[in-house]
Amino acid sequence: GDSVTQMEGPVTLSEEAFLTINCTYTATGYPSLFWYVQYPGEGLQLLLKATKADDKGSNKGFEATYRKETTSFHLEKGSVQVSDSAVYFCALNQAGTALIFGKGTTLSVSS
Amino acid sequence: NAGVTQTPKFQVLKTGQSMTLQCAQDMNHNSMYWYRQDPGMGLRLIYYSASEGTTDKGEVPNGYNVSRLNKREFSLRLESAAPSQTSVYFCASSEGWGGTNYYEQYFGPGTRLTVT
Repeated sequence: GDSVTQMEGPVTLSEEAFLTINCTYTATGYPSLFWYVQYPGEGLQLLLKATKADDKGSNKGFEATYRKETTSFHLEKGSVQVSDSAVYFCALNQAGTALIFGKGTTLSVSS
Repeated sequence: NAGVTQTPKFQVLKTGQSMTLQCAQDMNHNSMYWYRQDPGMGLRLIYYSASEGTTDKGEVPNGYNVSRLNKREFSLRLESAAPSQTSVYFCASSEGWGGTNYYEQYFGPGTRLTVT
């Protein structure tokens, strides 16, 4: 079945450092790909998405590019802030069905 | 516009007790979902309701029942709680389900349940 694998955390960075969180997927067909973020004590929020190969999703300084050839959707940000500390989930979706999530990566940014 | 609301926020149960988690959305969405979140496991789908009047099992339905009370409300019931059901439960909703479109899911704040 379809699955998502993300790098294990926690990821600990200093403010203004570059962030990469790796995500790869296994799926039949052409899934849509997503990054969700969960701030402490809150529910999940959609951060960005890409619905076809080579699409780049972006939001709040975060970016991810849908790479079909490497089945990847890595999350990047050029300069992280303390307020970016959260749990980040990579997810995929096929034809409007339920989301399949990765296990989540905890990011901790210190000043 | 409150989005997706869940009650209660926290609950402690003893093994064998029952309870119902409530979820409501005010976005006129057709589809609703229940997930559980466990450390190191991500989110796993328990049940979903593609439209009012329908419910279907997800990945981990054992020990749970659901009711789509109306278009706004989708409840999750634990008939006889077990320690393995200690988790954080999230409700979500989306405009639609199926077909070739992706419908963004909107999540509630979660219910933290502990079963002792």
